[in-house]
Amino acid sequence: QKEVEQDPGPLSVPEGAIVSLNCTYSNSAFQYFMWYRQYSRKGPELLMYTYSSGNKEDGRFTAQVDKSSKYISLFIRDSQPSDSATYLCAMGYNFNKFYFGSGTKLNVKP
Amino acid sequence: GAVVSQHPSWVICKSGTSVKIECRSLDFQATTMFWYRQFPKQSLMLMATSNEGSKATYEQGVEKDKFLINHASLTLSTLTVTSAHPEDSSFYICSAPQTAGVPETQYFGPGTRLLVL
Repeated sequence: QKEVEQDPGPLSVPEGAIVSLNCTYSNSAFQYFMWYRQYSRKGPELLMYTYSSGNKEDGRFTAQVDKSSKYISLFIRDSQPSDSATYLCAMGYNFNKFYFGSGTKLNVKP
Repeated sequence: GAVVSQHPSWVICKSGTSVKIECRSLDFQATTMFWYRQFPKQSLMLMATSNEGSKATYEQGVEKDKFLINHASLTLSTLTVTSAHPEDSSFYICSAPQTAGVPETQYFGPGTRLLVL
């Protein structure tokens, strides 16, 4: 069993839709939870960061962590074509070693 | 957020030659850096952990004599792909943990695309 599971997609939505991206994990010791956005042929850029449980909001983006279910989510409101990218979840019990999901490719159609 | 750079951004080389890729943390010091490899439409695969002042730690299945890592200073790590072959063609990405700022997490370089002919 993989440490982190993520649906690879692709996920295609119309502009303005609410997007929900999810990851599940197996290691209950994970405390750091991140979402990275990766555009084609570029390095991942940090989008959202959560320590332990709870929700975090930043503009159109909301990250949720449910440690009891070992489930994390990223919501994108009012999605834009510029949000089209691959979204990687990452997590770990310290920030020195992360476990990555396989990435979900998102396409927002104008 | 913290900034990590990589050089070169892309390189084409002949089979059998060696290629060096640099990873720099521009505005913070990193005693540890990480090297990843990414194949098309796949996630990041951790290759090795680069440690300043000591030997790198390689993940299972990664040939340490093939992928030489040197952590020369607190802001620079290099990955050398020795005697490169076409199967080494890939996207190589480094990252560095930034612990002094907010958030404390890993920041990635822009990646280096290697094509071995």
